[in-house]
Parts: sequence; structure tokens; C-alpha cells
Amino acid sequence: DAGVIQSPRHEVTEMGQEVTLRCKLISGHNSLFWYRQTMMRGLELLIYFNNNVPIDDSGMPEDRFSAKMPNASFSTLKIQPSEPRDSAVYFCASAMGQGTDTQYFGPGTRLTVL
Amino acid sequence: GDSVTQMEGPVTLSEEAFLTINCTYTATGYPSLFWYVQYPGEGLQLLLKATKADDKGSNKGFEATYRKETTSFHLEKGSVQVSDSAVYFCALSGRNTPLVFGKGTRLSVIA
Repeated sequence: DAGVIQSPRHEVTEMGQEVTLRCKLISGHNSLFWYRQTMMRGLELLIYFNNNVPIDDSGMPEDRFSAKMPNASFSTLKIQPSEPRDSAVYFCASAMGQGTDTQYFGPGTRLTVL
Repeated sequence: GDSVTQMEGPVTLSEEAFLTINCTYTATGYPSLFWYVQYPGEGLQLLLKATKADDKGSNKGFEATYRKETTSFHLEKGSVQVSDSAVYFCALSGRNTPLVFGKGTRLSVIA
């Protein structure tokens, strides 16, 4: 079975540009989590969805960040405009139910903003 | 709120040494407890878990026992290998709350 799929795997962009990260959930899973990982701040939960509905977005850094689930199997995380401090590895994870059991992580997108 | 505290790294061990990574938690009720591992360049993956007090999770030679009396879930392995070099995350989840992760402990095993 395919695991969580993220694209692109690497993204290099210039400050001020729009960045869109994509995630495909494991079939049958209905919770989706977006995380950001940096050396300084570690692993941070940005937002999570259950049944396509955002449940907690308190970790989203600021209005430049937005996330959507246009359907049950796909999500996007958009940064507009991007800044150098957004450089990080972004992971999505999917889970069954409300996500209180095992989460399955994707391979991550390494974002570099110049 | 719920939280997890794990020992800071990095931890450097020689091959075949005994490993312990400490993890304690604060939570209301009876959370489920997890250890995740992140190999270089990869996402986190579940290593083991325990869902109730005195349960022992085990996988790939790693073990952890859910100790309610000490609110702990320490990770142990009797003989580490170079291939165990990774970052290890302790995590918990409540009945209606998703995973809360610790800050991670980096393990380096040298031959």
C-alpha cells in the first residue's frame, strides 16, 4: 500500500514568492496533520483536519500560512508570501479516526527560501 | 495541558552498548504512549506503542513499559547497532486529543 505522499520533495524559492506544498493521505484515513521541523524549534504542529474540517490551527505561524483539504484524500499548505525564516522541512501525517492513535508521516518537503 | 519531557541529546554510544532514553509525561486520564523514530532524511515512523498501564511495547529489539506510577515510558535496547542512529521522539495522545511529541533525542552509534 502507498504511504503518505508529499510533493515536491525539495523546493527552493525566493523571498516573496508563493509556495504550495501538497499531501495525499493514506486511503481510508480521515485525519490529516501538517508539521514543521527546524533545528531551532524542533517539530511543531501547524494544523490538523478531521473529516476535511480544520480542528486546530493554533500552530499556524501567521496569516501568510493557509491550509486546505479540497477533498478527503488531499491537502495543500500554502505560504504567501514566503520569507527566509519559513525555511524548514514540512511533514504531513495521516491517521484514522481523530488521530489519537498512530500517525503515518510522509517523507517531508524541504523548503528553502532565499 | 498534556506534555512529554524526554532527555536531551545527543546521546553517543559504542556499538553493542545498552541504550536508555528517558521519557516522562503529564496528562489527564490515561493516555496512549508512543515512541517514534526518524532516520536521516526521512519522516517519523512508529517504533512502538502502549495503550494502558503496565503494557510493554516492543519492536526491532527496542522496548518501553508504560509506568503509570512514575508517569514514564523509557525506551531501552540491550545492544545498539550503527543502524539505530536516528532521532527518537516520545509522544502521547489522550482520548480526544492527537499526538503530543517530545523534543526528540538524537542517538549516534559509533562502530
